[in-house]
Amino acid sequence: DVKVTQSSRYLVKRTGEKVFLECVQDMDHENMFWYRQDPGLGLRLIYFSYDVKMKEKGDIPEGYSVSREKKERFSLILESASTNQTSMYLCASSSSSHSGNTIYFGEGSWLTVV
Amino acid sequence: QKEVEQNSGPLSVPEGAIASLNCTYSDRVSQSFFWYRQYSGKSPELIMSIYSNGDKEDGRFTAQLNKASQYVSLLIRDSQPSDSATYLCAAGGTSYGKLTFGQGTILTVHP
Repeated sequence: DVKVTQSSRYLVKRTGEKVFLECVQDMDHENMFWYRQDPGLGLRLIYFSYDVKMKEKGDIPEGYSVSREKKERFSLILESASTNQTSMYLCASSSSSHSGNTIYFGEGSWLTVV
Repeated sequence: QKEVEQNSGPLSVPEGAIASLNCTYSDRVSQSFFWYRQYSGKSPELIMSIYSNGDKEDGRFTAQLNKASQYVSLLIRDSQPSDSATYLCAAGGTSYGKLTFGQGTILTVHP
């Protein structure tokens, strides 16, 4: 089974703090994604990566950055957290080589910025 | 702007009935389509994927794809209270496995 692990499940941070959200997948997937999910807005893509050290902006990259130094790990960084970044963050991964482009999600990280 | 639109819901059906969830997509180059189920407070889990026109059945679930009409649907037969969740439709093209998600439809199956 594919496993996508988000190490931080629940975080409370202060405005202006730097926040790191870590994600690890164990299926040697090429592609990794960060989404945020808000009521009424659905899933919105923040950033994705299709290879080590490669990254592409998604639909809402402002205020975020990412890092992918190893194939299995994809980090989301909030350089200076703001209250409008309070949300659930979902990491996901997929393979480019088979199963179409089925995306598998981690369990989610709930971030509250106060 | 690539869009995926789902019937707005919420949808309420009695136990044992057929639940019908619908989705349209705007990007004609989309090649793969997915239905995810998301329970409250949980992350989305894959139910069905479909790539070719027609029907695909898996247990009580049937996905239907009509590329000419840019339409995808999910039928849930013999609906159970445990099917109560938000259902997300997603469409993907060839770009690095990116999927575009719809807003989701909340389904409630009442006993």
